[in-house]
Amino acid sequence: GAGVSQSPRYKVAKRGQDVALRCDPISGHVSLFWYQQALGQGPEFLTYFQNEAQLDKSGLPSDRFFAERPEGSVSTLKIQRTQQEDSAVYLCASSLVSGQGTYEQYFGPGTRLTVT
Amino acid sequence: AQSVSQHNHHVILSEAASLELGCNYSYGGTVNLFWYVQYPGQHLQLLLKYFSGDPLVKGIKGFEAEFIKSKFSFNLRKPSVQWSDTAEYFCAAEGQGGKLIFGQGTELSVKP
Repeated sequence: GAGVSQSPRYKVAKRGQDVALRCDPISGHVSLFWYQQALGQGPEFLTYFQNEAQLDKSGLPSDRFFAERPEGSVSTLKIQRTQQEDSAVYLCASSLVSGQGTYEQYFGPGTRLTVT
Repeated sequence: AQSVSQHNHHVILSEAASLELGCNYSYGGTVNLFWYVQYPGQHLQLLLKYFSGDPLVKGIKGFEAEFIKSKFSFNLRKPSVQWSDTAEYFCAAEGQGGKLIFGQGTELSVKP
C-alpha cells in the first residue's frame, strides 16, 4: 500500500522566504510526527499530532516554525523568514497510535530544504 | 532529559565480518527502544524494536539487538554482514507521547 509521502522532495529558498512542507500520512494513521535532520545528525523531534490536535510542539526551534493538521490527515510544516540554520531534511512519520512502542512509525522520504 | 548516544560514527567492515554497533540511552525507567536503518537514497525503516519481554530481539535481515538494563545499552549485532548492509543505522528511544529520540547515527560501509 501507499506509504508516507512528502512534497516537495527538494526545496531551495532564499533567506527570508517562507516555505511550506507537506506530509501525507498513511491512511487511517492517527499519529503524525515531524522531525528535523541536520547533516550528519540523527533526526530531532519537532512536533506531534494526534488526529487534528497538536499535542506536543516542544521541539519547534522558534516561533518561525508552525505546523498544522486541520482535518486530521495531511499536515503542513511552515517555516517563516527562513534562515540558513533551517537547512536540513524534514521528515514526517505516521503511526496508528503512539505512546506505547507497539506501533511502528513509518517515515516518509523527507524534504531537503536548502536556504541560500 | 532523555538522550541516546551511539559510540561509532563510521564503521568499515569487510563482507562476512561480524557487526556490533553500540547504543546507550539515559533514561532509567521503562523504555521502548528501536533500531532504524536508512539505505542509500531510501527512507528510514524499522529494523527491530524492544518494549518488553525477552531482552534479545530479532529483526529483519538477520539483525538482532540485546537490551541490557544494567548497562543502559541496546547494541545491534549481526554475525555476518553483506555489502547490501551498507547504510546508516540509528538507535532511538521512545519519549513522551511516542516521539522518538534518536542517536547521532552510525554509518556502516561494507567492502565486498
